[in-house]
Amino acid sequence: DIQMTQSPDSLSASVGDRVTITCRASQSIGDFLNWYQQKPGKAPKLLIYAASILQSGVPSRFSASGSGTDFTLTITSLQPEDFAIYYCQQSFSAVALTFGGGTKVEIE
Amino acid sequence: QVQLQESGPGLVKPAQTLSLTCSVSGASISSGDYYWSWIRQTPGKGLEWIGYIDHSGSNYYNPSLKSRVTIAVDTTKNQFSLRLITVTAADTAVYFCARTGGYSTRWQPTKYYFDYWGQGALVTVSS
Repeated sequence: DIQMTQSPDSLSASVGDRVTITCRASQSIGDFLNWYQQKPGKAPKLLIYAASILQSGVPSRFSASGSGTDFTLTITSLQPEDFAIYYCQQSFSAVALTFGGGTKVEIE
Repeated sequence: QVQLQESGPGLVKPAQTLSLTCSVSGASISSGDYYWSWIRQTPGKGLEWIGYIDHSGSNYYNPSLKSRVTIAVDTTKNQFSLRLITVTAADTAVYFCARTGGYSTRWQPTKYYFDYWGQGALVTVSS
C-alpha cells in the first residue's frame, strides 16, 4: 500500500492566519491526491481533487499544490468554520486507496 | 442534490456478519458515471477505504479486507450494500458510503475522489 503521512498532526492558529498542511506519499503518485475536511460528527467533505483543483462550492481561501511525493494544502485567512481535521487521500493506486492520518486545526 | 444514507444494525456479535445498505437519492447508480464506495473510520486506524462497485457490479476491494468483504449493487432500488464476515472488535467503526467520482484528462488514468458521503453509521462489534 502507498502510505500517506501528514504533518503536523495538529496545529493551533488564529482567525485570519495562513495555515499550511503537508502530506507526503511513500512513493510518487503524480497528482493523484485529494484533500478533505472533517468536522466532529460529520462525514469528510471534499475540498480539492487532482492535487490542486478546487471542488465546486469550496471557498477560494483553500488551495493546494504538489506533485510526486510532496503536497500542501493552504488556507489563507483562516475562518472560524475552518477549524476541523484535514485529510489527504491518494488514488494513484486505484484499487488500494489510502488516506493520511489527518491534521487537526485548532483555535489558538 | 445527491444524498446517501447508511442503514443497518448498530451492534454485531463477534464472528458474525456485518451488513449495511446505502440508499442513494439525487443520483442514479445505473447511470454508470460513478463508482460507489464504502469507507470506515476508527480512532486507531483513521479512514480506511473498504472497496467500491460500479453499476454493473464490477467491484474492487481493499487487499487487507478482500477475503472478508462483499459489496453488491441493486440498481432497481438505487442502493448498494456492504457485507463483512467474521467480524472482530477491530471492525468496530463508523462506516460511510460515498459516491466516487473521477477526473480524467487525455492519456491519463482517472483520478478518483469521494465527492458525496453519507452521514456515517456506527457499528459496534461486541457480545
